[in-house]
Amino acid sequence: DTEVTQTPKHLVMGMTNKKSLKCEQHMGHRAMYWYKQKAKKPPELMFVYSYEKLSINESVPSRFSPECPNSSLLNLHLHALQPEDSALYLCASSQGELSSYNSPLHFGNGTRLTVT
Amino acid sequence: AQSVTQLGSHVSVSEGALVLLRCNYSSSVPPYLFWYVQYPNQGLQLLLKYTSAATLVKGINGFEAEFKKSETSFHLTKPSAHMSDAAEYFCAVTPASGGSYIPTFGRGTSLIVHP
Repeated sequence: DTEVTQTPKHLVMGMTNKKSLKCEQHMGHRAMYWYKQKAKKPPELMFVYSYEKLSINESVPSRFSPECPNSSLLNLHLHALQPEDSALYLCASSQGELSSYNSPLHFGNGTRLTVT
Repeated sequence: AQSVTQLGSHVSVSEGALVLLRCNYSSSVPPYLFWYVQYPNQGLQLLLKYTSAATLVKGINGFEAEFKKSETSFHLTKPSAHMSDAAEYFCAVTPASGGSYIPTFGRGTSLIVHP
């Protein structure tokens, strides 16, 4: 069982829809991440929150909007997506920034997103 | 900036055979190194990590990796492959100090295990 929980497992949405992906961890980790992964490729970093503040935005289009309501929760709001945004979206967490160099990432099982 | 190279996008072995997945890093200072495994329809899971405490690192599911500074390598091995080892394997690196703590992933190696 993974310690990072993502919902939903699967999501199909049209290009005009608004939806949200949710991620939760209860390990006391202070860094949380969103990754996008295409088939047979490594995960691509999208956003990093450190101590509930947006720390890194890897030039992600504004149709993706992250939110960190508290230290355990991370959301990714989706709006007006394109078919090429179809992918596996992974959430991960790790210990806080200052000790994170040798702290591994803990991944959820992802949300498989299909944009029609 | 550090980077990792995984040689071979696919490795095919027979069940019971030795598994060797290659990872080389490029960094002037030995970094922290990680191996992750991703089974179908799942997220990535940590197999093992090198953090300078010992050069031979044992991980879960019978995997181990040896850090070799002279070769800038951190290859993953398992003496005897099992069908359940079929998965995608990613090597990742973070600097030992300074710079970004965000890991850099290799492109991944798909392990195929034949009966």
